[in-house]
Order: sequence, then C-alpha cells, then structure tokens
Amino acid sequence: DAGVTQSPTHLIKTRGQQVTLRCSPKSGHDTVSWYQQALGQGPQFIFQYYEEEERQRGNFPDRFSGHQFPNYSSELNVNALLLGDSALYLCASSPGWGNQETQYFGPGTRLLVL
Amino acid sequence: GQQLNQSPQSMFIQEGEDVSMNCTSSSIFNTWLWYKQDPGEGPVLLIALYKAGELTSNGRLTAQFGITRKDSFLNISASIPSDVGIYFCAGRGGTSYGKLTFGQGTILTVHP
Repeated sequence: DAGVTQSPTHLIKTRGQQVTLRCSPKSGHDTVSWYQQALGQGPQFIFQYYEEEERQRGNFPDRFSGHQFPNYSSELNVNALLLGDSALYLCASSPGWGNQETQYFGPGTRLLVL
Repeated sequence: GQQLNQSPQSMFIQEGEDVSMNCTSSSIFNTWLWYKQDPGEGPVLLIALYKAGELTSNGRLTAQFGITRKDSFLNISASIPSDVGIYFCAGRGGTSYGKLTFGQGTILTVHP
C-alpha cells in the first residue's frame, strides 16, 4: 500500500520564478492538504482540497494556489517566488473531510529560492 | 501564523531514561496529534487523541488529551537511540476541519 508520494524531492529556483509541486495521496484517501515548513519550525497550513475544490485556506497570499485532479492527486503552485518561500513543502492526505480524519504526510519537497 | 506552545525546545537524555514533553494552546482543540519527524522526512503520526481526558498508548509512548482541551502531553518510557528526532504536537478544532496547527517541535537527542 503506497503512502503519500511527492515530486520532485528537491528544487532550486530563482526569485520571481514560478514552481509547481505534485502530490499523490495514500490509497483510499480523497482529501489533500499542503503545509509549508520553514527550517526549525513546525509545519504551517496552506490549504486543503476535497472534491477538487479548495475547502480551507491558511494565512498565505494568493501567490500560493492549488489544484486537485479527479484521481485525488494535487498540485501546489507558487508564483513570483520570494527568498522567504524557501522551505520544505509537505503534502498530507486523509480519508474524507472532517475533524476526525487523521492526516498522513509525504516526505516533502525541499524548495530553495536563490 | 498561529502555533502551539510546545516545551521543552530540546532534550538531551541518556538511553533508558523517560521523556516528557507537552503542548499548550490558548484555543480549544477537538483533536490532538503527536508526530515524529526524522531529518529529510515528513512527519509520521505517533498517537491521535479525540476526547478530552483520553489517555492513549502506543508501545513505549503514552499521550493524554488535557481536560481543558487546551493541552496535551507525550511521554516516552525507556528511551532508545532510535527515538532521536523532532517531536511535534498538532491540534485541530472548531470549524478548522482539516487544518492542523503545529507546535514548534521538541528536538530529542538520546545518548547511548
């Protein structure tokens, strides 16, 4: 049973560029959440997708956008990259949408913005 | 963004010792979760707590959901070298549905 997978594992971009990160949820899961984890910090919630719609959003600017596909996989897009966007981006999946559903995390994508 | 207050920030212990860490929040949570993260990896779920006062064990790990719903603690008994890593608490509640709010993490080092 494959867990949550993310690609790429590492990425280097320059300021102003755009980036797309990808996530495949754990088998049987239909809800995907994205988190940003800066070095030495806990993960910060970006947004969550369920039934191909953004259901909840954290305190992140509109430069951060996402998409969920019919097969439940998801993309995170970041436009006009800033140096401060350098972080580990984590995807988490869960079965269904609701307070009791536990989230399982992928290994993350390490983004470095120069 | 909002984060939980997790303490201690770091711990250096000898193998075989017991460990205790806790998390407090100004907000009420309906769910408390404890995760462990190894370098270069995503957080791995250790224990999930869903009811105030709930005490749950997973092997050498024991966690409790505080009665006030604003705190939780994690205990690790008889620590071993593979317990090394960063431990995070996370809370979820109210209308936040899927949003998890994380603590800053506790870095655990175990000396053989």
